[in-house]
Amino acid sequence: NAGVMQNPRHLVRRRGQEARLRCSPMKGHSHVYWYRQLPEEGLKFMVYLQKENIIDESGMPKERFSAEFPKEGPSILRIQQVVRGDSAAYFCASSRDRESGYTFGSGTRLTVV
Amino acid sequence: QKEVEQDPGPLSVPEGAIVSLNCTYSNSAFQYFMWYRQYSRKGPELLMYTYSSGNKEDGRFTAQVDKSSKYISLFIRDSQPSDSATYLCAMTISNFGNEKLTFGTGTRLTIIP
Repeated sequence: NAGVMQNPRHLVRRRGQEARLRCSPMKGHSHVYWYRQLPEEGLKFMVYLQKENIIDESGMPKERFSAEFPKEGPSILRIQQVVRGDSAAYFCASSRDRESGYTFGSGTRLTVV
Repeated sequence: QKEVEQDPGPLSVPEGAIVSLNCTYSNSAFQYFMWYRQYSRKGPELLMYTYSSGNKEDGRFTAQVDKSSKYISLFIRDSQPSDSATYLCAMTISNFGNEKLTFGTGTRLTIIP
């Protein structure tokens, strides 16, 4: 049973480009969470999604960031017009339902040059 | 003031020693407490999950919660080199899995053979 799959593992973007991070939850999991880990900081919650719905986006920056979890396919975290401050590790987690625990993926490390 | 404070370390102890890791928090609404282990370049892995004040034991690991002091601890007995990792405390207001987690910054632990 594959775990939470994130790709790419590493992503390098120039300032102003778009970054698209993908997350495939574990089989049978319909709840997805995105967290960001900046250097020397803990993980910060960004957004909680279910299939086709955003449940809680209180941690998402107001501009340039968006997330989706379509009926078919992986969840996507999209960062438009990236800046150096977006460089971080982005982790996705999934759960089966509202009472189940999270399983984290291995993350995507975004570097903006 | 951060909602969750955690000594970043680094902490180095000899193999076989007892390790004590701690977090304090300011938000009395936090009710569920977790400890995660994160190896380098990997996603966090859930170690312990507690709700009530007191101790919870699982093998070599003991989680302790003191809600009156807003203080949680993780003890590792008979520490092994494989325990070398970053340990993150996390907490949430309501049922585990259906609310965003607030993480500490993590303590980097090295067990010296």
